[in-house]
Amino acid sequence: AQSVTQLGSHVSVSEGALVLLRCNYSSSVPPYLFWYVQYPNQGLQLLLKYTTGATLVKGINGFEAEFKKSETSFHLTKPSAHMSDAAEYFCAVSDLAGGTSYGKLTFGQGTILTVHP
Amino acid sequence: GAVVSQHPSRVICKSGTSVKIECRSLDFQATTMFWYRQFPKQSLMLMATSNEGSKATYEQGVEKDKFLINHASLTLSTLTVTSAHPEDSSFYICSHTGPDTQYFGPGTRLTVL
Repeated sequence: AQSVTQLGSHVSVSEGALVLLRCNYSSSVPPYLFWYVQYPNQGLQLLLKYTTGATLVKGINGFEAEFKKSETSFHLTKPSAHMSDAAEYFCAVSDLAGGTSYGKLTFGQGTILTVHP
Repeated sequence: GAVVSQHPSRVICKSGTSVKIECRSLDFQATTMFWYRQFPKQSLMLMATSNEGSKATYEQGVEKDKFLINHASLTLSTLTVTSAHPEDSSFYICSHTGPDTQYFGPGTRLTVL
C-alpha cells in the first residue's frame, strides 16, 4: 500500500520569497513521485516527476523537487514566488504493480499556496 | 502533452436521476483511463480503472452498480452516476496514462439537489 502526506493544507508566502511545499510518502516498492498543480476550474497539470536517476528534478515554472529516500520525502521548492503560482498543489506516488510504469496514483491532501504582494 | 476533455463541465440534477459524464482523449489512444472523485477540501480519490473493451476495476468501497463505467473505444470512457443522491455531489475527474505520466481532464462538477 502507498500513502502520501502533505504537511500544511495552506501555505502563504510573499511575492519573491522561497516556496517550500512538503511531501512525505510511504511505499513498499521504489516509488514514482509526482507534483501536480491545479488552478481553479482546471484539470491537474504535471509540474515534475521523479522516476529513477538524478534525485533533484526540475519542472516547469521554475519549480524543483528532491527525492530523499532516507527521509521518504519529495519536497517541492521554488526560489522566488510569483503571483501566478497561487494554486493548489498535489503530491502523488505511483503504483508500480504489474509492471505498469505510470499506474494508479495515490494523492496527498493538497496544499493551497497563496502569494501576496 | 495529451489533451483530455470532459463533458459536461457542470451538471445539476434532482435526487434519484442518473447522470452521464464523458471523458475523451483527444490526441491519444488510451487503453486505460482512471476516474477520480474529489470532495471539497479533500484530495483526489481513485474510484475505478476503466479498461477499453473490458470491465472496469473498482476501488474498495466504490459501488460498481452505482457508478457505471463504459470504455467502448480508445478515446472515450463514460461514467454514469445512477440514482444520484446529494452525497454524490462532488468533482469527478478522469485521466489516462500517457507516455510519461497521467493526463487529467478538467473535471465535472456534479451537484445533486
